[in-house]
Amino acid sequence: QVQLPESGPGLVKPSETLSLSCNVSGNSISNYYWTWIRQPPGKGLEWIGCVYYSGSTSYNPSLKSRVTLSLDTSNNQFSLTLTSVTAADTAVYYCVREPTGYIYGQYYFDLWGLGTLVTVSS
Amino acid sequence: QSVLTQPPSVSGAPGQRVTISCSGSSSNIGAGYDVHWYQQIPGTPPRLLIRGTTYRPSGVPDRFSGSKSGTSASLTISGLQAADEADYYCQSYDRTVRVFGTGTQLTVL
Repeated sequence: QVQLPESGPGLVKPSETLSLSCNVSGNSISNYYWTWIRQPPGKGLEWIGCVYYSGSTSYNPSLKSRVTLSLDTSNNQFSLTLTSVTAADTAVYYCVREPTGYIYGQYYFDLWGLGTLVTVSS
Repeated sequence: QSVLTQPPSVSGAPGQRVTISCSGSSSNIGAGYDVHWYQQIPGTPPRLLIRGTTYRPSGVPDRFSGSKSGTSASLTISGLQAADEADYYCQSYDRTVRVFGTGTQLTVL
């Protein structure tokens, strides 16, 4: 069964860099866009961006200047880096899978990790 | 700021039918992009409920249905059950960005 466990520090200081990784176990990563979505406590969902196995990326313009997504295909692992964090970046960060192509729809998310809470505080 | 607008809350009694709306614009739903729906029980990740506007993934009861018209979409839940109490989010595509709705909290009375 495909799982998407996220890992990374739960606490980051303001102005520092947030780094998270996600490991795909049980399946190839070549048929999906691998995505990060976040959810501030008590608020809605925000798409951060995605990376394709080819290495191509797409980012939310609101975060693009601070975000880098990368993919390690040999280890089936992909990662998120968010620089210059503030309290507004405090959120649960989800590792998410988006099927490529058109399969009863397009641009949707069919598998979510459990999420990891990252708090930005000094 | 979300580009898809949903009512903050809806409610219904067990057995009733409720509809959750999702209002977009000509650059997302109105441009012909699919609408998808997710159910999120507090403390858990969202679960895909409807993809491609009307299609239910395997395991989703047929009490859940989706539709779209113009720049808006709707999720209808029939035969409301206590287990349906959750937050619901619509989602679409808008000029290279995957966008979510503001979210709707469903209360089963």
